[in-house]
Amino acid sequence: QQQVKQSPQSLIVQKGGISIINCAYENTAFDYFPWYQQFPGKGPALLIAIRPDVSEKKEGRFTISFNKSAKQFSLHIMDSQPGDSATYFCAAGQTGANNLFFGTGTRLTVIP
Amino acid sequence: KAGVTQTPRYLIKTRGQQVTLSCSPISGHRSVSWYQQTPGQGLQFLFEYFSETQRNKGNFPGRFSGRQFSNSRSEMNVSTLELGDSALYLCASSLGGTSNQPQHFGDGTRLSIL
Repeated sequence: QQQVKQSPQSLIVQKGGISIINCAYENTAFDYFPWYQQFPGKGPALLIAIRPDVSEKKEGRFTISFNKSAKQFSLHIMDSQPGDSATYFCAAGQTGANNLFFGTGTRLTVIP
Repeated sequence: KAGVTQTPRYLIKTRGQQVTLSCSPISGHRSVSWYQQTPGQGLQFLFEYFSETQRNKGNFPGRFSGRQFSNSRSEMNVSTLELGDSALYLCASSLGGTSNQPQHFGDGTRLSIL
């Protein structure tokens, strides 16, 4: 059973556009939601993370929006650049258990 | 500050053999987690070690085991290899403790089973 559902599977965006990736979870015990970026041949790199006590967190061009009642969270990449082309994973974890449950990934392609 | 280092980067084994993978965490990090990444199943948690003790375990058979040393370095062992064990094995380190701390991944070991 997939603990975290991620969509879309792939996404093509024009340079300068906004990329939006969505995730949903069921386990209300989750209280930590990171996003990772992975390039081919590399391990996932932590981009940004949020905890449920805030509804939004912004770091540079990356923003996480969090909706606790809907059990959904999303990543927005503003002013998308070709260098952002990578696979993005959302994840969820809970305090006291250091294991993360990952979404299935979104392959983002930013066209120049 | 050096990142998470995994060795070797690539391994080719045959069915029935066993393999040991190594992970050196970021200096000062006491928690090491292992994940398996495959195209079909995605990223799946194997186990986590903190202060030389296994703290969490995922849903993998007993053929998958690990350990952590006093310097926080960790090894993962897979015995009686099967074709389905072909995957990218990723190690992640974090400060540890009871609350979720950011996990930082290495570039993984690509294991191919023939």
